[in-house]
Amino acid sequence: ILNVEQSPQSLHVQEGDSTNFTCSFPSSNFYALHWYRWETAKSPEALFVMTLNGDEKKKGRISATLNTKEGYSYLYIKGSQPEDSATYLCAFMDQAGTALIFGKGTTLSVSS
Amino acid sequence: DGGITQSPKYLFRKEGQNVTLSCEQNLNHDAMYWYRQDPGQGLRLIYYSQIVNDFQKGDIAEGYSVSREKKESFPLTVTSAQKNPTAFYLCASETGTGLNEQYFGPGTRLTVT
Repeated sequence: ILNVEQSPQSLHVQEGDSTNFTCSFPSSNFYALHWYRWETAKSPEALFVMTLNGDEKKKGRISATLNTKEGYSYLYIKGSQPEDSATYLCAFMDQAGTALIFGKGTTLSVSS
Repeated sequence: DGGITQSPKYLFRKEGQNVTLSCEQNLNHDAMYWYRQDPGQGLRLIYYSQIVNDFQKGDIAEGYSVSREKKESFPLTVTSAQKNPTAFYLCASETGTGLNEQYFGPGTRLTVT
């Protein structure tokens, strides 16, 4: 069974702090890695879909990196704001699969 | 507006009754998915469909059934055989390649007593 691990499980930061989370996934047969943000009372929304080793993607203050050879991805948030408070999910797809395998998420709380 | 809808938002049923959760999308996506979320757990895949009239079991398909008669619709039936049906259910759709983002509905919270 393929396993996707996210750490930390939760964290609390002050407004203006920068933070990062980790997603670990199987390093063999990599196909794609997705990041989603899930705010309370809303639907999960995609942040990034990453496919290439060494890729780095950015959307505003949020960026992500991908290392497919060692099986990890980092999500960075620069200058956290209260509106960044959410659960951040990563999901992995291997070359044999047709569906995503999700991690349990990292829940971020940003205090003003 | 293009999007994916689920209804109802909250659903209550007595134990032993089957219940069907609705999922509709107008994004012209080929693939549709059903996930279940429990406290402290990630999203777990119940069933998915990549094309009309075809669907595959996910990791936790036991006690559930689906149909895909139309591209736009992917209803999920929670049967009385599902031992622990109380959960939050999310439907999603995607173009079908796996390389594009999934779009999620607002979810249905099912409570079975």
